[in-house]
Amino acid sequence: AQTVTQSQPEMSVQEAETVTLSCTYDTSENNYYLFWYKQPPSRQMILVIRQEAYKQQNATENRFSVNFQKAAKSFSLKISDSQLGDTAMYFCAFMRNNAGNMLTFGGGTRLMVKP
Amino acid sequence: DGGITQSPKYLFRKEGQNVTLSCEQNLNHDAMYWYRQDPGQGLRLIYYSQIVNDFQKGDIAEGYSVSREKKESFPLTVTSAQKNPTAFYLCASSFKSTGISYNEQFFGPGTRLTVL
Repeated sequence: AQTVTQSQPEMSVQEAETVTLSCTYDTSENNYYLFWYKQPPSRQMILVIRQEAYKQQNATENRFSVNFQKAAKSFSLKISDSQLGDTAMYFCAFMRNNAGNMLTFGGGTRLMVKP
Repeated sequence: DGGITQSPKYLFRKEGQNVTLSCEQNLNHDAMYWYRQDPGQGLRLIYYSQIVNDFQKGDIAEGYSVSREKKESFPLTVTSAQKNPTAFYLCASSFKSTGISYNEQFFGPGTRLTVL
């Protein structure tokens, strides 16, 4: 079974600064996908970024980027130029390849962006 | 507009009563999922269905039941056997996994169930 751990229950950052959210996972699989989801106060789950484990290059989506360390089983999210709208819960999630799209979520990190 | 709808947004029930949460999608997705979210915790999978008339238990299926009679609909029943049913429930859907790559899960807005 896979486990996903987010060790930072809460974090805060000043507007326009950079923040990094941590995620580690445990798996014996070699092929898998990793995701970061955002859940704002509306509670709608929004996919922020994904990473395929077979790709060495770190994924980037505008102000969001990841640091994927496969050997260390680490998958951190960096948010640059933080905006007030980034205030949300952030969940790291794992999906095995060939596993019917099943997602395993971490416990989440609550991020507060301060003006 | 295409999307996933869950109704109602807030639901209150007395202890011991069964309650059914609705989930409908018009994205032509094959697979549908139910998750439970408790305060300060991540999402946990209750049930999932890859195809009509077939579904499988997730990690926390005890006290819940589902049906998948139509492709568009995947209702979740919270039974009286569920010891702590108060939670936020999220429904999701996706195209069926081909085994070669993944298909993104799209989430509904959720239903907050409170058992009094």
